[in-house]
Amino acid sequence: GAGVSQSPRYKVAKRGQDVALRCDPISGHVSLFWYQQALGQGPEFLTYFQNEAQLDKSGLPSDRFFAERPEGSVSTLKIQRTQQEDSAVYLCASTSRTGVSSYEQYFGPGTRLTVT
Amino acid sequence: TQLLEQSPQFLSIQEGENLTVYCNSSSVFSSLQWYRQEPGEGPVLLVTVVTGGEVKKLKRLTFQFGDARKDSSLHITAAQPGDTGLYLCAGTTSGTYKYIFGTGTRLKVLA
Repeated sequence: GAGVSQSPRYKVAKRGQDVALRCDPISGHVSLFWYQQALGQGPEFLTYFQNEAQLDKSGLPSDRFFAERPEGSVSTLKIQRTQQEDSAVYLCASTSRTGVSSYEQYFGPGTRLTVT
Repeated sequence: TQLLEQSPQFLSIQEGENLTVYCNSSSVFSSLQWYRQEPGEGPVLLVTVVTGGEVKKLKRLTFQFGDARKDSSLHITAAQPGDTGLYLCAGTTSGTYKYIFGTGTRLKVLA
């Protein structure tokens, strides 16, 4: 079956513009994560959804970042008034497990956001 | 803030050499995972270890979880160019869903 897909793969935004990044998880996967990955670094947690409920948004850097998953499937990460420090790869991951450790996360290819 | 420190940060070796990557923390983790990430792709899970002292082998890769569950190592025997990539460890604490990723080790194996 299809894996996790993300779109767009690349996005260039001018400082101050709003952007929306989409994640299509594996069908039936309950849990969905968003991460931010700076060049050459490990991913950093942004937010977690279980179905449509956003259970943890502690990693969102500021109130300019907003994520939603209204029907418990596709998720969108929105960044308002983009700043240069928002430039990074945004990764989405999904898993069939809920609230239990030692699960396998399936990652999408990421969206590379460049803010000029 | 990253709680898992990986070393070395960069490693460039010749095909056929052995290498070890380390993942260290002051925190205790209930489980730890290792991922490999190639350019333009998301991380792909290699292994999960859950028991202190556990050793897992995956072909030429050997993973060990420290006795105190604060550290882990990845050893590659006879490295091949196909092993090139960014290696990431990720740990989670009991009762949580959140994995904390390490700082990463970028490996390049030269033919």
